[in-house]
Amino acid sequence: AQSVSQHNHHVILSEAASLELGCNYSYGGTVNLFWYVQYPGQHLQLLLKYFSGDPLVKGIKGFEAEFIKSKFSFNLRKPSVQWSDTAEYFCAVNGDSSYKLIFGSGTRLLVRP
Amino acid sequence: DAGVIQSPRHEVTEMGQEVTLRCKPISGHDYLFWYRQTMMRGLELLIYFNNNVPIDDSGMPEDRFSAKMPNASFSTLKIQPSEPRDSAVYFCASSFSPGDHYGYTFGSGTRLTVV
Repeated sequence: AQSVSQHNHHVILSEAASLELGCNYSYGGTVNLFWYVQYPGQHLQLLLKYFSGDPLVKGIKGFEAEFIKSKFSFNLRKPSVQWSDTAEYFCAVNGDSSYKLIFGSGTRLLVRP
Repeated sequence: DAGVIQSPRHEVTEMGQEVTLRCKPISGHDYLFWYRQTMMRGLELLIYFNNNVPIDDSGMPEDRFSAKMPNASFSTLKIQPSEPRDSAVYFCASSFSPGDHYGYTFGSGTRLTVV
């Protein structure tokens, strides 16, 4: 069965610090990978996605993620965070034979001004 | 398009009462998903539909939960009878057929509190 692990449950950073959130998945076949963001009190919004091609994908608001197949990882990065990046971040995966999107447990990011 | 529309935004009900949550997917989307979000369990997929037909309901917690999609523009999630442990935020999401490179579009959610 597919699963997604996000090891950092809470991350606290100061503005301008660099961010990297870990995501590892478990699935033997071809996968599609996503990062979603949920701002306080709001719904999930798509940050970026990987389906194929260049393993380094760029998303909205300066975020990027790198797919490393050998490590089953899809870590999210941002070189310089802002206070407005305070939110919860979810990694998600679905396999090519399934349309179910499986989410990780989420990472709560707090950016201090 | 107004996006995925859920109603109500907030629902407070007493234990034992019936609760109905509603969702209007984005026009043209073939897939509709119901998720539940809690602090303890995170985001759980409850059920999803393809072309109005339930495909996988293995995430539905128990018989008290039921979901329907009578047409392409409307779905309901019903809990009868409701219990305090059902308190959560329920999200509806929709998507195009496989091959869609935009992921899911989520609604704003319904925050359910059962007292």
